[in-house]
Amino acid sequence: SQKIEQNSEALNIQEGKTATLTCNYTNYSPAYLQWYRQDPGRGPVFLLLIRENEKEKRKERLKVTFDTTLKQSLFHITASQPADSATYLCALLSASNYQLIWGAGTKLIIKP
Amino acid sequence: NAGVTQTPKFRVLKTGQSMTLLCAQDMNHEYMYWYRQDPGMGLRLIHYSVGEGTTAKGEVPDGYNVSRLKKQNFLLGLESAAPSQTSVYFCASVGPGADTQYFGPGTRLTVL
Repeated sequence: SQKIEQNSEALNIQEGKTATLTCNYTNYSPAYLQWYRQDPGRGPVFLLLIRENEKEKRKERLKVTFDTTLKQSLFHITASQPADSATYLCALLSASNYQLIWGAGTKLIIKP
Repeated sequence: NAGVTQTPKFRVLKTGQSMTLLCAQDMNHEYMYWYRQDPGMGLRLIHYSVGEGTTAKGEVPDGYNVSRLKKQNFLLGLESAAPSQTSVYFCASVGPGADTQYFGPGTRLTVL
């Protein structure tokens, strides 16, 4: 079956460290993968997009990698801050039917 | 720009009642989407629209209807609410040739 998996357990990171979140997928041919941030009671907000032919994308303290062999994307936040605490969602666009498939998200908690 | 707005923010219905959720966007976007978000699950697409006057079914369309009479508005209707429709509903829009989804703040619906 086709699915996207994100770690359902909350990730606790000490302020200043690098937080790394994982998004794994099976049985999809991705066109691209996106990462969104969602705060409690709010809608998701777009952060980064990485295409299937790209290995890495950066934006300020954020970095995304995409390994189509491992079928995995990693999302890194360097020099993490308590304000980075949120739930992070990954979404994959299937190249076969152009449907956007969403992971359930990982809650990130940055402790001061 | 207000971006994407949704009304109402909260609603409690009894089984069998009907209601309409309104989504409005002021970004002149062509594509609009309705999702539901349930605990432990990724966002699931209910219906979407690629332009004024057009609608299409998503992954979980049963029990819902939509209309896109004006480009800026996308309405989601529940004709006969069921407890299984208790969820948080998000509307999103995408501009032409773009991939980023802009989300509204969500509507929390409880069906008793």
